[in-house]
Amino acid sequence: NAGVTQTPKFQVLKTGQSMTLQCAQDMNHEYMSWYRQDPGMGLRLIHYSVGAGITDQGEVPNGYNVSRSTTEDFPLRLLSAAPSQTSVYFCASSHGQFNEQFFGPGTRLTVL
Amino acid sequence: DAKTTQPTSMDCAEGRAANLPCNHSTISGNEYVYWYRQIHSQGPQYIIHGLKNNETNEMASLIITEDRKSSTLILPHATLRDTAVYYCIVRGGNTGKLIFGQGTTLQVKP
Repeated sequence: NAGVTQTPKFQVLKTGQSMTLQCAQDMNHEYMSWYRQDPGMGLRLIHYSVGAGITDQGEVPNGYNVSRSTTEDFPLRLLSAAPSQTSVYFCASSHGQFNEQFFGPGTRLTVL
Repeated sequence: DAKTTQPTSMDCAEGRAANLPCNHSTISGNEYVYWYRQIHSQGPQYIIHGLKNNETNEMASLIITEDRKSSTLILPHATLRDTAVYYCIVRGGNTGKLIFGQGTTLQVKP
């Protein structure tokens, strides 16, 4: 199993540009989530999904959209990037909401 | 979700046990205590979790006080590779969301 994969590893955007961070898992996990981590801080939950077709907001959802059309994929969209969205983004998945979450390697995003 | 309080940093000698404390005084009856760690800038790694009984696995032991208001993660024989930020998280409710705090930076020294 590849586990949780994220692409790209690094990305630089200009203010106002849009982009999609990709997350995929091959473990048939129902639960997937997106976090951001700013320097020296813990992770903050952006959005999560308990299964295909179902998404909900976390602690810091503003400026981000998600959808879950398949069990495997959970993309995160930035519609109009802002410098405040410069961060490291982690995707995670688990079998059910309360089991061990497996994290991807992260995407390092810089917005100029 | 209950909040947790952890020391900002701790040191431990290599080969000794590392005991990482966590306070969660507002934990409710159906909330679990989870521990994750993050090595360098990698994605967090699950360590262990428990409800009210002590738990042990190949990585660590988790000791939860009887009133469940605090817990201790024990790494029995710390190695240099255990240097990381350790997060204590209380998780429960309807969504099972993980809410991370600041964590404890554990430095294992030779």
